[in-house]
Amino acid sequence: AQSVTQLDSQVPVFEEAPVELRCNYSSSVSVYLFWYVQYPNQGLQLLLKYLSGSTLVESINGFEAEFNKSQTSFHLRKPSVHISDTAEYFCAVSANTGGFKTIFGAGTRLFVKA
Amino acid sequence: DTGVSQNPRHKITKRGQNVTFRCDPISEHNRLYWYRQTLGQGPEFLTYFQNEAQLEKSRLLSDRFSAERPKGSFSTLEIQRTEQGDSAMYLCASVPIPGQGAIRQYFGPGTRLTVL
Repeated sequence: AQSVTQLDSQVPVFEEAPVELRCNYSSSVSVYLFWYVQYPNQGLQLLLKYLSGSTLVESINGFEAEFNKSQTSFHLRKPSVHISDTAEYFCAVSANTGGFKTIFGAGTRLFVKA
Repeated sequence: DTGVSQNPRHKITKRGQNVTFRCDPISEHNRLYWYRQTLGQGPEFLTYFQNEAQLEKSRLLSDRFSAERPKGSFSTLEIQRTEQGDSAMYLCASVPIPGQGAIRQYFGPGTRLTVL
C-alpha cells in the first residue's frame, strides 16, 4: 500500500517570493508521482508528473518538482510566485500493483499575498 | 476530446433519500475511477472499473454505495439512505488502456453532494 504525507497544511507567502511545498511518500513498490492543483471551486488539474527518467520535472507555469528516491520525497518548488498561484496543491502517488489508483495527500493550501 | 463530464454538478438532498451520480469518461478510456473528497482533505479512492468489470472497492464504500458501468462507457454511483457524513465532492476520473504512458488520470469537475 502507498501513502502520501504533505507536511504543511497551509503555506502563506508574499508575491514574487520563492516557495516549496513538501511531500513525502511511502511505498513498498515503485511509484509514479504527481502534483495536482485545485483552484477555488474548480476541479483537479494535473500540474506535473514523474514517471521515469530525469528526476527533475517541470510544469509550463514555472513549477518544478524533484523526485528523491532515497528520501522518498517529491517536493514542489517555484522560484517566484504570483497571486494567481493561490490554490490547493495535492501530491499523489500511483502504482501498477494497485490498479493505478491514485493516493492523494491531504493537500497544502498556498496563499499568495500582495 | 471533450473531457470527463459529471452530472449533476450539485445535489442537495435530505437525509435518508437515495441519490445517483453519473460520470461520462473520455471516449475510449477503458478505466474509470471514483473518488470522494471531503472538505479540507485530499480525494480518497472509492472504486474503479476496467471496461464493465468493477475490479476494486475501497473499504470506504459501505453497503449503501453501489457503482456500475454496464456497457463499459458511462458509470453511475448510487448512494442509498444518505447520511450527513456522505456530504462531499464525488470525483470521477478516466484513463486510457493502462501502461506507463497512460497512468495519468483525467478528472471530471465533480458532483458536490450536500445532505441536510
